[in-house]
Amino acid sequence: DGGITQSPKYLFRKEGQNVTLSCEQNLNHDAMYWYRQDPGQGLRLIYYSQIVNDFQKGDIAEGYSVSREKKESFPLTVTSAQKNPTAFYLCASSVTNNYGYTFGSGTRLTVV
Amino acid sequence: RKEVEQDPGPFNVPEGATVAFNCTYSNSASQSFFWYRQDCRKEPKLLMSVYSSGNEDGRFTAQLNRASQYISLLIRDSKLSDSATYLCVVYNTNAGKSTFGDGTTLTVKP
Repeated sequence: DGGITQSPKYLFRKEGQNVTLSCEQNLNHDAMYWYRQDPGQGLRLIYYSQIVNDFQKGDIAEGYSVSREKKESFPLTVTSAQKNPTAFYLCASSVTNNYGYTFGSGTRLTVV
Repeated sequence: RKEVEQDPGPFNVPEGATVAFNCTYSNSASQSFFWYRQDCRKEPKLLMSVYSSGNEDGRFTAQLNRASQYISLLIRDSKLSDSATYLCVVYNTNAGKSTFGDGTTLTVKP
């Protein structure tokens, strides 16, 4: 079955650590996105990529980094520069930018 | 002012009721519009796209008013299973990205 897979489901990070969240899709979608959701709030765009080897900053890119070396994969690294990383992270993909998105099931990141 | 604004609710309605959500957007260059449903602690799922002519999918009807820059979602004959947060999403051609509203929470009660 085609879909988008995020791992891990839960992640705990110590202060000062970098962590990488995985996002893999087998839908043959060109565009991929990373969003952050805080409790009771909407989704905020971190980074997005419309094509392999290219990506753009979203609204809250500071403290995050991404790569898009393969069409299927769009990993997100939460660096130590991100001062408040505890949140629900959602990865999505779409055929192109203006089509509806398919979301992964998310990663809950907690700083301990 | 936020680019996409929704009434946060919560909307508490009895089973069988009709409920409507509105969403306004500020950028007239916006090209595509969607409604998503998000259950508690889950990922959003695409409910329906919104077309200029309006569109219907079973008990759900979506409308777009470009002149007034708002979209709406109407749910008829509400079911308990409709309880969720409904997210309005607007794709902006110039920016090349979508913006999500903060969502409207619906609780359907027996």
